[in-house]
Amino acid sequence: EDQVTQSPEALRLQEGESSSLNCSYTVSGLRGLFWYRQDPGKGPEFLFTLYSAGEEKEKERLKATLTKKESFLHITAPKPEDSATYLCAVHPGEGSSNTGKLIFGQGTTLQVKP
Amino acid sequence: KAGVTQTPRYLIKTRGQQVTLSCSPISGHRSVSWYQQTPGQGLQFLFEYFSETQRNKGNFPGRFSGRQFSNSRSEMNVSTLELGDSALYLCASSFTQGEKLFFGSGTQLSVL
Repeated sequence: EDQVTQSPEALRLQEGESSSLNCSYTVSGLRGLFWYRQDPGKGPEFLFTLYSAGEEKEKERLKATLTKKESFLHITAPKPEDSATYLCAVHPGEGSSNTGKLIFGQGTTLQVKP
Repeated sequence: KAGVTQTPRYLIKTRGQQVTLSCSPISGHRSVSWYQQTPGQGLQFLFEYFSETQRNKGNFPGRFSGRQFSNSRSEMNVSTLELGDSALYLCASSFTQGEKLFFGSGTQLSVL
């Protein structure tokens, strides 16, 4: 069964304190792994897509990496405006009953204190 | 370029009523997906439409239905509302299936 598990559920950091969020997945044939950011009262905002193990993407203070079993979202020297819920989602490939659907994890709620 | 637009933003209904939510995708996007988001279950896939055809459906009862029009705009309908249907309903669009999704701000539905 296709599954996405994110950890930790919540993370509190001091401004400038770097850390990583984890996304573990079990999926039949990965076609893509997506990271989104969601602010309260808003829809998720796209951050990155990763397609194959070893791939990395960067944007400002965020860096996403992918292995065959998990993805990490590294946050370097975070600022209070990075506070949000970060969602990971996978797009299963052929052989899965979920082909064509994005399967989301429960998210990690990040709070960065000044 | 305008983003995904969902209306209404908030909705309050009572049990047994029905509701229709509307979504206008980004211009040029032909795939529209709907998700239900609750604190306990997170984001759960409802259905996806592409070129006016339902291509995928999630594990929701038949009370949840949708459609897509020739201009790619989409509506979802929930009949015989239950308390558990209270949620944020999110619409997302993409140029084609399997690509990154662009989400609207959602419709917050409260069933009393």
